[in-house]
Amino acid sequence: SQQGEEDPQALSIQEGENATMNCSYKTSINNLQWYRQNSGRGLVHLILIRSNEREKHSGRLRVTLDTSKKSSSLLITASRAADTASYFCAPGDTGRRALTFGSGTRLQVQP
Amino acid sequence: GAVVSQHPSRVICKSGTSVKIECRSLDFQATTMFWYRQFPKKSLMLMATSNEGSKATYEQGVEKDKFLINHASLTLSTLTVTSAHPEDSSFYICSGLSSPGELFFGEGSRLTVL
Repeated sequence: SQQGEEDPQALSIQEGENATMNCSYKTSINNLQWYRQNSGRGLVHLILIRSNEREKHSGRLRVTLDTSKKSSSLLITASRAADTASYFCAPGDTGRRALTFGSGTRLQVQP
Repeated sequence: GAVVSQHPSRVICKSGTSVKIECRSLDFQATTMFWYRQFPKKSLMLMATSNEGSKATYEQGVEKDKFLINHASLTLSTLTVTSAHPEDSSFYICSGLSSPGELFFGEGSRLTVL
């Protein structure tokens, strides 16, 4: 699978603010997944959005997908200190190949 | 979401010894599992693809004789780091493919080789 590129590389906000991070990819996809990784921990699957979907919500998370621009965004509303983590996007296909990851966005939420 | 259990979460061993890390899919059958390695403040690097009942496929630059992978059942894959050296110290993460394109990850195993 292709690698997604997250932007920005780092983001620091105050608790209560919204955090937006973006992902770009190069070739067509079947789906795109967002993951969170707390320091020293595994990846937590946050949300999967399929190529025929434009927006998806899960709790305080909102993900958009624009296949014409080959980009996705992850919005975390009303952020909390516990949201501090690295966030990765992973474009996926219908095959059984591994996902590959970029450098991620390191989010720091200040209490 | 699907659950992948990885064990042990931390292991310290002496140089020259072998260490086995287990990866289990708890609520789904994972015919395919993947092993990644992560260095501090870096992204995940794919090491190998583990297919149930067949030999693993290794990424370029990954020594198959050093990193032995066994996927003997639909819910268990193991990674054995043989004759470990300090440079093998790293964070190893496994993942299971629950359906095409949808991966779920274990909590990772931190290996420290003294």
